[in-house]
Amino acid sequence: DAKTTQPNSMESNEEEPVHLPCNHSTISGTDYIHWYRQLPSQGPEYVIHGLTSNVNNRMASLAIAEDRKSSTLILHRATLRDAAVYYCISMYSGGGADGLTFGKGTHLIIQP
Amino acid sequence: DTGVSQNPRHKITKRGQNVTFRCDPISEHNRLYWYRQTLGQGPEFLTYFQNEAQLEKSRLLSDRFSAERPKGSFSTLEIQRTEQGDSAMYLCASSLAAGGWDEQFFGPGTRLTVL
Repeated sequence: DAKTTQPNSMESNEEEPVHLPCNHSTISGTDYIHWYRQLPSQGPEYVIHGLTSNVNNRMASLAIAEDRKSSTLILHRATLRDAAVYYCISMYSGGGADGLTFGKGTHLIIQP
Repeated sequence: DTGVSQNPRHKITKRGQNVTFRCDPISEHNRLYWYRQTLGQGPEFLTYFQNEAQLEKSRLLSDRFSAERPKGSFSTLEIQRTEQGDSAMYLCASSLAAGGWDEQFFGPGTRLTVL
């Protein structure tokens, strides 16, 4: 699994878009990019994942660079509830079970 | 609520005592994972079950740690002869294997404090 690098913390205002960057320069061709987040006093929760194409779901969008060495999680309109630690995980998802390898993540602070 | 549940939510014990935590996964999920999280760090993978079989163990899982999932449903994690370094949040997650990537659903965790 490729190592990922994220900023320790970011701050944004409520109702504004948030772009959370992640570098994964050693990613292999079969590694997916997963994002999980952990709200205060809770276990992590899945946000989104992708391989090559940009992905959208009800929670967020994932923009993946053409060379796949970096990606950006986009929260289109942040709310106070989005304040959490966001983890970018690069790993192979070929059908076997995988223990997720979390780093320290990015602590997202949302200002009202 | 049909999410992953963990009991107890908090456990305080003295060094040298044994502790056991329980995880009840989402009912149809066949995969179950244990993680440990210390303050300021992301969760660290400990072990994983597919049904009742323990298929993977991290080198973080010392001989004092043992996990079981006897009937492929709930799981227990036991720590023998606890040490202060075992103080952490212990997280359980479950997923449904569907031939490809599967989303892991996490429980709220059990916070262990070893005095």
